[in-house]
Amino acid sequence: DTGVSQDPRHKITKRGQNVTFRCDPISEHNRLYWYRQTLGQGPEFLTYFQNEAQLEKSRLLSDRFSAERPKGSFSTLEIQRTEQGDSAMYLCASSLRGPPPDTQYFGPGTRLTVL
Amino acid sequence: AQSVAQPEDQVNVAEGNPLTVKCTYSVSGNPYLFWYVQYPNRGLQFLLKYITGDNLVKGSYGFEAEFNKSQTSFHLKKPSALVSDSALYFCAVRDKSGAGSYQLTFGKGTKLSVIP
Repeated sequence: DTGVSQDPRHKITKRGQNVTFRCDPISEHNRLYWYRQTLGQGPEFLTYFQNEAQLEKSRLLSDRFSAERPKGSFSTLEIQRTEQGDSAMYLCASSLRGPPPDTQYFGPGTRLTVL
Repeated sequence: AQSVAQPEDQVNVAEGNPLTVKCTYSVSGNPYLFWYVQYPNRGLQFLLKYITGDNLVKGSYGFEAEFNKSQTSFHLKKPSALVSDSALYFCAVRDKSGAGSYQLTFGKGTKLSVIP
């Protein structure tokens, strides 16, 4: 069990640029989640996949954000036209479908800084 | 809507003393409750969860949590604190009757400092 991995761990970008983050869940975990965490706050839910289907999206996920999980394995989160307010830690979690509630296991996160 | 409150931003406790980190929740139905711990520059690590039944839940690293439905609380406890327990602790809730919603709602976190 190698755990959830995320790449890159850190990303610095200029306002207006596009960025893409990758998440590799624990193998055989069919559920995948994205959260955003800002300084001094707990993680806030962004979106959830079961296999390749995106089943839930938060109102936080504006039109500039898009997430995919094309083959039901890894996932990508893209932010277009980044803004300074997008600076945050982006956390990915995965879980295995089973008797509820699933336990979500988190990756180390990608820290985004928008200059 | 579901929400979590962690009323203490910081808790200080001497090594060897018992520790408590407080959490209260609000859901429309019955809750699933979780505790996670976050070390600097690392993701969240799962400690324990409450599903149903016994109000005292035992988890990793000697931690336990007590569910109290009447007080809508789920406080994290440990009988004897270690310096290595110093970290940021998050309580989270998910409504059992969430109609398929799997999102967790987290509190703002409580920073635990164990003083040698």
